[in-house]
Amino acid sequence: QVQLQESGPGLVKPSGTLSLTCAVSGGSISSSNWWSWVRQPPGKGLEWIGEIYHSGSTNYNPSLKSRVTISVDKSKNQFSLKLSSVTAADTAVYYCARVVAVAGLRAFDIWGQGTMVTVSS
Amino acid sequence: QSALTQPPSVSGSPGQSVTISCTGTSSDVGSYNRVSWYQQPPGTAPKLMIYEVSNRPSGVPDRFSGSKSGNTASLTISGLQAEDEADYYCSLYTSSSTWVFGGGTKLTVL
Repeated sequence: QVQLQESGPGLVKPSGTLSLTCAVSGGSISSSNWWSWVRQPPGKGLEWIGEIYHSGSTNYNPSLKSRVTISVDKSKNQFSLKLSSVTAADTAVYYCARVVAVAGLRAFDIWGQGTMVTVSS
Repeated sequence: QSALTQPPSVSGSPGQSVTISCTGTSSDVGSYNRVSWYQQPPGTAPKLMIYEVSNRPSGVPDRFSGSKSGNTASLTISGLQAEDEADYYCSLYTSSSTWVFGGGTKLTVL
């Protein structure tokens, strides 16, 4: 059974770079799925950040694209998120999720537990 | 990318049925079936409840059903139970290979 686990600093300074990693266990990151990041500011809704395929192909939220980089490390079976020039508005719970992608089907079928990241000096 | 519109809140008594709507446009919800629904109880990660408008993953009770009419997708929960109290989000995979979520709907079981 595939499980996802986010890790990274819980506190980032304004103008700095937020860096998170999602470890995939119980399955291969090289399977026919995409791997995504979603965030949720306190008390607010879900916002998609971006996704990556094991080949390195990426798709990003246009509103965040200039600040986001998602990468994959197949040797460690994990993928990562970097968000630059952060402000308080980037304070949120960050989730990693698997995107099942079979014959046109798309859905976030497995989610990590989420990790809270606060942007503050 | 355009957002999907959901009602902020809905409520119902145990045993009743409730429907949560998710409205887009003719270019997104109206044109594609890649709509999915997620349940998020307080303090937990979202859980997939419905994919491709009306399909249930294994393990999701058949009290949960999805449908679509025109530019609006809907999630119906029948035989409401206290454990159904949660936030619910719709999501759409767009033709631009991006994802968009609805604003979320808080379901209260009275």
